[in-house]
Amino acid sequence: GEDVEQSLFLSVREGDSSVINCTYTDSSSTYLYWYKQEPGAGLQLLTYIFSNMDMKQDQRLTVLLNKKDKHLSLRIADTQTGDSAIYFCAETSNSGGYQKVTFGTGTKLQVIP
Amino acid sequence: KAGVTQTPRYLIKTRGQQVTLSCSPISGHRSVSWYQQTPGQGLQFLFEYFSETQRNKGNFPGRFSGRQFSNSRSEMNVSTLELGDSALYLCASSLEQYSYNEQFFGPGTRLTVL
Repeated sequence: GEDVEQSLFLSVREGDSSVINCTYTDSSSTYLYWYKQEPGAGLQLLTYIFSNMDMKQDQRLTVLLNKKDKHLSLRIADTQTGDSAIYFCAETSNSGGYQKVTFGTGTKLQVIP
Repeated sequence: KAGVTQTPRYLIKTRGQQVTLSCSPISGHRSVSWYQQTPGQGLQFLFEYFSETQRNKGNFPGRFSGRQFSNSRSEMNVSTLELGDSALYLCASSLEQYSYNEQFFGPGTRLTVL
């Protein structure tokens, strides 16, 4: 089946850049997404990228997509302590008349003051 | 504008029971999607309702069902609860169906099955 993989943990110092990586296997992905989940809270959609794009920038967030390698990354510039959370990547793809939604395992970002 | 609300926030049930969770979308949003989050399986998509019809579904057994009312509020039902159904159940709303790039999530309902 289709998988979306992420490293479990990332630790960075406040002010540095964070890069969270994600690999996926479904070559028919339509959109790819990044979500943030803070402790005890629901999900927050941070940004998304259409599968025919290579890059998308939104303020401190930069999403890079390498379709050939099926690799997605989220770069957070000038990382702040408020960025500490779990980050999930996800993809949607067409599957038998449905939109299949698959999430990654999540990466816990720890920002050290 | 109020966000997505879910009730109850916490729930404890025993195996074999059934449970109903409720989700009220953002005013004007017509689509409601449901997700299950567990430590073992991670985040998984359950189903999506739009205009009172299920429009999309994930890979869950028939014990998991839902419905949507004319005011776009949605309920999710799990029958014959199993220990593995213990999870955080999240709902999300969007204006249109399949608009996963414009979803807003509720805080979730934490279900514990004993």
